[in-house]
Amino acid sequence: QKEVEQNSGPLSVPEGAIASLNCTYSDRGSQSFFWYRQYSGKSPELIMSIYSNGDKEDGRFTAQLNKASQYVSLLIRDSQPSDSATYLCAVGYDTGGGNKLTFGTGTQLKVEL
Amino acid sequence: GAVVSQHPSRVICKSGTSVKIECRSLDFQATTMFWYRQFPKQSLMLMATSNEGSKATYEQGVEKDKFLINHASLTLSTLTVTSAHPEDSSFYICSARPSGRAGDEQFFGPGTRLTVL
Repeated sequence: QKEVEQNSGPLSVPEGAIASLNCTYSDRGSQSFFWYRQYSGKSPELIMSIYSNGDKEDGRFTAQLNKASQYVSLLIRDSQPSDSATYLCAVGYDTGGGNKLTFGTGTQLKVEL
Repeated sequence: GAVVSQHPSRVICKSGTSVKIECRSLDFQATTMFWYRQFPKQSLMLMATSNEGSKATYEQGVEKDKFLINHASLTLSTLTVTSAHPEDSSFYICSARPSGRAGDEQFFGPGTRLTVL
C-alpha cells in the first residue's frame, strides 16, 4: 500500500509570511513528487514537480525533497490571500506499465489579512 | 500549454441511467489519461488508467463493467457511468500525461460533478 501523509490543517499564516507544507511517503522507490493546489469545488492545479534531492524554486514557491527521510515539502513565500486553498502532495510510483500518482489528503492553507 | 477540458461540468440524472463524461487534451497528445473520483472532504482516488488503443486498467475495487472507459484517440478519453445510483454521486476528474515529454506530470481537467437522484 503506497501511502502519502499530510497534516490536514488548517494551517493559518498571516499575509506576507512564509507557509510551510509538509508531506511524507511510504514507498522508498518513488522517484517523482508533485504539489497541486486545489481550490474548493475545483480540480487540482499543478504547482511544482521535483525529482532530485534538494530544493527547486519557481517564483514564490520552493519544493524541497529528501529521499532518505522520505519527506517532501513546499514553501510559499510572501503568502497572499489568493494562496488560500488545499495543497495536495502527490507521489509517483512505477507500476511496471507506467507511473501512477498517489495523493495525500491535502493540507488546507488559510492566509489571513 | 497542457490544457485539459472535460464535458459536461455538471450533470444530474435519474437512478438507473448512464452518463458519459468526455476528457480532452487540447494542446498536447496523451497516450495515457487517468480517471479519478473525489468525495467531499476526501482526496483524489484513482479509478482507472486509460491507455490509447488498449484496454483501461482499473484499480482494485472499481467495477470495470460499471465504469466503461474508452480512449479512442491521443486527445480523447471517455468515462461512462452505467446504471448510475445515488452512491455514484461524486466529483469525477480526469488527468492527462503529455506523450513524449520527460517527467510524470499529470494535468487535470476541470472535473464533472455528478448527482444521481
